[in-house]
Amino acid sequence: EIVMTQSPATLSVSPGERATLSCRASQSVSRNLAWYQQKPGQAPRLLIYGASTRATGIPARFSGSGSGTEFTLTISSLQSEDFAVYYCQQYNNWPPLTFGGGTKVEIK
Amino acid sequence: EVQLVQSGAEVKKPGESLKISCKGSGYSFTTYWIGWVRQMPDKGLEWMGIIYPGDSDTRYSPSFQGQVTISADKSISTAYLQWSSLKASDTAIYYCARLGDQWLATGAFDIWGQGTMVTVSS
Repeated sequence: EIVMTQSPATLSVSPGERATLSCRASQSVSRNLAWYQQKPGQAPRLLIYGASTRATGIPARFSGSGSGTEFTLTISSLQSEDFAVYYCQQYNNWPPLTFGGGTKVEIK
Repeated sequence: EVQLVQSGAEVKKPGESLKISCKGSGYSFTTYWIGWVRQMPDKGLEWMGIIYPGDSDTRYSPSFQGQVTISADKSISTAYLQWSSLKASDTAIYYCARLGDQWLATGAFDIWGQGTMVTVSS
């Protein structure tokens, strides 16, 4: 089973600042990597798939990069609605399609 | 509108059985895999398994194999997750979600249900 490790666990950022979230895979997942956003009391929402392709309706301030074992989600200028928990997920090797443990982005 | 609508919250006792549902609409239900994801209280997401409603082909995570049963009734565009004997440790929110690539048993989950809270307590 591929283990996905996200860092940091919590990221404190001021509105308008850039946020950089990391996701590392225990073995290569090529570019088969997705990012999700989850707000309290809500279901997750797909942000990025294929490591760097934004899902429908996702603002351009969200960008993904990386391949192999190292991936990054960047939020260029944090808006109030972006404070949430972010998960990465690999879909290169299954079962299972594993998720990372999440990074909570909180207001500084 | 493409959506998945899940059944409501459940409160059960240990040892009881349960079946929760996930109804798809707005797309071809039979040609997209549907998955189930568990989220225990204040924890992360866990992939449980997927089903292809067109022929009920099912794949399970090793962690959930034998613990739950995933099924689907394509005639009513509904997928199910069921337990034969619940445990307190099954207390969680369960989400259904659609794999975004038509026909493919892998990929990102592009559409999510609203979640079903299952509470198991004596």
